[in-house]
Amino acid sequence: DSGVTQTPKHLITATGQRVTLRCSPRSGDLSVYWYQQSLDQGLQFLIQYYNGEERAKGNILERFSAQQFPDLHSELNLSSLELGDSALYFCASSVDGTGELFFGEGSRLTVL
Amino acid sequence: GQQVMQIPQYQHVQEGEDFTTYCNSSTTLSNIQWYKQRPGGHPVFLIQLVKSGEVKKQKRLTFQFGEAKKNSSLHITATQTTDVGTYFCRDSGSARQLTFGSGTQLTVLP
Repeated sequence: DSGVTQTPKHLITATGQRVTLRCSPRSGDLSVYWYQQSLDQGLQFLIQYYNGEERAKGNILERFSAQQFPDLHSELNLSSLELGDSALYFCASSVDGTGELFFGEGSRLTVL
Repeated sequence: GQQVMQIPQYQHVQEGEDFTTYCNSSTTLSNIQWYKQRPGGHPVFLIQLVKSGEVKKQKRLTFQFGEAKKNSSLHITATQTTDVGTYFCRDSGSARQLTFGSGTQLTVLP
C-alpha cells in the first residue's frame, strides 16, 4: 500500500461526457502528479501541483483540468470525452516535488 | 526537449536467464530512479542512483549509473517469473524529472 488513494478505480462513460478523478496523496506529501497510461504504453505526464499551486504542465489537453485543494487532495477533470481518452490515470505524490514518487493504484477510464 | 530513451522496448527471456535494460540520454542525467510496474499494477519505486559510476544491488538486481551520468542500467541475474513487468527509469533531479523513460517490458517464460 503506497498510501496514495485514487477514486474511482473504474469508470465507464460515454463520449462527450465529463468525469472527475480524485486523488489523496500520502500523508505529509505536498506534491501531486497526474499521469496518463494508455494500453501497453508509457507514462505520459499531465500536470504537477505543489502545495496547492500548479508547478508544471505536460501535454495536457485543454479539455482536461486539475486542481489541488488546501487539504492537498487533487482532482483531475476530463471533459468532452473522446474514445482516445480511455486509459489508466495515475496519481503520484512526493514529499517535496523531487525524490521518490508514490503511485496510487490508478483510475481506469473507459469511454464508449 | 531531450528525452530519456530506454532499450530494449520488449524483452522475452527464459526463466533463469539474465536480463538488462538500459536508460540513455544525450545530456547529463541528474539522478536516476528505477521503477517496476507489474502487469495490472502501478509503478513502484525500486532505487535511486545519484553519483557518477554508482552501483547498487538489491538481491538479484544490480543498478549502475554511468561514469558520465548519461546512462544507467538495470541488470537482473537469473530471472524468475516474479520479475515480469515493465521497468521504467526517470531522471529525478532535473527539469526532466516529470517524465519517465519509455519503459522495457520484460516477459519471463517458465
